[in-house]
Amino acid sequence: DARVTQTPRHKVTEMGQEVTMRCQPILGHNTVFWYRQTMMQGLELLAYFRNRAPLDDSGMPKDRFSAEMPDATLATLKIQPSEPRDSAVYFCASGLAPQGGAYEQYFGPGTRLTVT
Amino acid sequence: AQSVTQPDIHITVSEGASLELRCNYSYGATPYLFWYVQSPGQGLQLLLKYFSGDTLVQGIKGFEAEFKRSQSSFNLRKPSVHWSDAAEYFCAVGPFGPAFNFGNEKLTFGTGTRLTIIP
Repeated sequence: DARVTQTPRHKVTEMGQEVTMRCQPILGHNTVFWYRQTMMQGLELLAYFRNRAPLDDSGMPKDRFSAEMPDATLATLKIQPSEPRDSAVYFCASGLAPQGGAYEQYFGPGTRLTVT
Repeated sequence: AQSVTQPDIHITVSEGASLELRCNYSYGATPYLFWYVQSPGQGLQLLLKYFSGDTLVQGIKGFEAEFKRSQSSFNLRKPSVHWSDAAEYFCAVGPFGPAFNFGNEKLTFGTGTRLTIIP
């Protein structure tokens, strides 16, 4: 049963600290998405990658957030420095393009981040 | 710009009763339409999708949805709900056809409808 995995599942950190979240997409999927979910804003797309290359990161605060795919089996989302307003659940999802396939997204269980 | 409206924030239904969750979209062309479900503490799971063809689509867990172009709607239905259906449901839309190209296949999600099931 192929699944997207995310680590850590929960993270509590102090303001100003660096946070790194990791995602392992489903093997063979070539598209990876990072979302943030909050009560106020709902589900927001932060960035997405195709074949490890960033296609769109317009939803991501550039000054503190960065997303990378060091290899096809690992995607990372980093926040430095973290702020209380970054508290949210961060989801990774993967899909398989071409056309249409990337919409059928398989979500990981999320990383619940709390910044105090 | 595309948008999705789910007018019902919270719906309560008795177990065994029928269910309809509303979704309206705004998009200038034929869209891809989706319903995702999120159980507590979990990520989203794809329930069903519509690309073209038959306007009534079947999904997993006994759900179906009907695309009505004239009403810009894609409502989700289930004839008899089970307690395990309690979750948050999200409608989503993405570009299709001439508007689609690699690099813009981003889904726009609605704000979700929380479903509570009464025993």
